[in-house]
Amino acid sequence: AQSVAQPEDQVNVAEGNPLTVKCTYSVSGNPYLFWYVQYPNRGLQFLLKYITGDNLVKGSYGFEAEFNKSQTSFHLKKPSALVSDSALYFCAVRDGGSASKIIFGSGTRLSIRP
Amino acid sequence: DAGVTQSPTHLIKTRGQQVTLRCSPKSGHDTVSWYQQALGQGPQFIFQYYEEEERQRGNFPDRFSGHQFPNYSSELNVNALLLGDSALYLCASSLGLGLSNTEAFFGQGTRLTVV
Repeated sequence: AQSVAQPEDQVNVAEGNPLTVKCTYSVSGNPYLFWYVQYPNRGLQFLLKYITGDNLVKGSYGFEAEFNKSQTSFHLKKPSALVSDSALYFCAVRDGGSASKIIFGSGTRLSIRP
Repeated sequence: DAGVTQSPTHLIKTRGQQVTLRCSPKSGHDTVSWYQQALGQGPQFIFQYYEEEERQRGNFPDRFSGHQFPNYSSELNVNALLLGDSALYLCASSLGLGLSNTEAFFGQGTRLTVV
């Protein structure tokens, strides 16, 4: 069965510092991996995805994520955090087979202090 | 180009009532999935519709049902509402099934409160 773990409920970073939001996954077969961001009282906004190819994926708003197959991880990163990055971040996975439902992690609240 | 639109944005219902939520997918998309997001949790998959048929279903009771129309729009129906059904209901649209379905776009959600 597919699963996603986000081990940190909250991550606090000073503005201008690099940030990392952690994610590990479990899936049979080749994974499709995603990061979404959610602002208060809003739906989910797509940030980036890994399907195949280069392990470093670049996405929206300066975010990137590194796929590590041996560690089954897909951590979200940004070199320099902005206060406006403060939001709830979800890692998600689906397997590369016929099933296309997406399984989400529990979310990590990112707080960027000025 | 309109994205995924959901209606209504907010809804208050009484325990035991029935509710219908609506979703119009992004232009060009033919697959609609529904998710329930309880407060403080990640979205949970309810079911997915493609070609007007339910293709996959998550661990939700039969009180949750849906429909997809020929124009790809979809409805989520919940009968005999419980207090625990209070949540943000998210609709996601995508293209096709299987390997071709590589990205889902989400609507703003419908906030359902059951009192």
